Amino acid sequence: QSALTQPASVSGSPGQSITISCTGTSNDIGAYNYVSWYQQHPGKVPKLMIYDVTERPSGASNRFSGSKSGNTASLTISGLQAEDEADYYCCSYAGDVTPWVFGGGTKLTVL
Amino acid sequence: EVQLVESGGGLVQPGGSLRLSCAGSGFTFSKYWMHWVRQAPGKGLMWVSRIDNNGRTTTYADSVKGRFTISRDNAKSTLYLQMNNLRAEDTAVYFCARVENEFDYWGQGTLVTVSS
Repeated sequence: QSALTQPASVSGSPGQSITISCTGTSNDIGAYNYVSWYQQHPGKVPKLMIYDVTERPSGASNRFSGSKSGNTASLTISGLQAEDEADYYCCSYAGDVTPWVFGGGTKLTVL
Repeated sequence: EVQLVESGGGLVQPGGSLRLSCAGSGFTFSKYWMHWVRQAPGKGLMWVSRIDNNGRTTTYADSVKGRFTISRDNAKSTLYLQMNNLRAEDTAVYFCARVENEFDYWGQGTLVTVSS
């Protein structure tokens, strides 16, 4: 099972919005609504930001939102803040053989 | 408060073995499937293995199949990962995680370094 495809880096200025894409296949993102997104600051533990494509856990800022179309999921961060600068990973359920696949990660830089 | 605390990492020679542990607290450990995820230095996250809540069903990534064994002791609220025949490419921080349909809680990770 190949990793999901994310852009290596994105950037934006404070207050702007950015979107990170995550492209999979009809065997993972396209087949299940179990897409989640994780924020990871350097040296820290990944933090769940979005689950079930669009749901936000308690503790995650409402500036974070998720969506999906076909085999591609997206994470949008609105009103960028300096604290949003981090690595972001998407993840999808992919069936019983290799059940979970992560994206390669996207480094977000807040200019 | 949900807590997951890994231990057991360290430096091991290629071909060697190591057993990682992950102690859970603050939740009913026996109700959840548990997973191991690793992150090589400077790289992304990679799913490694999972075990069902009863310990009867296990699944592995192709890269570790036949070398790693996941297990659990629900009486001790502890998850394990026995790693044999370790390779340089297994060098990573290993995280345990609680999973429903998402990885909602993670341990702090334990570093495994495979080197001569």
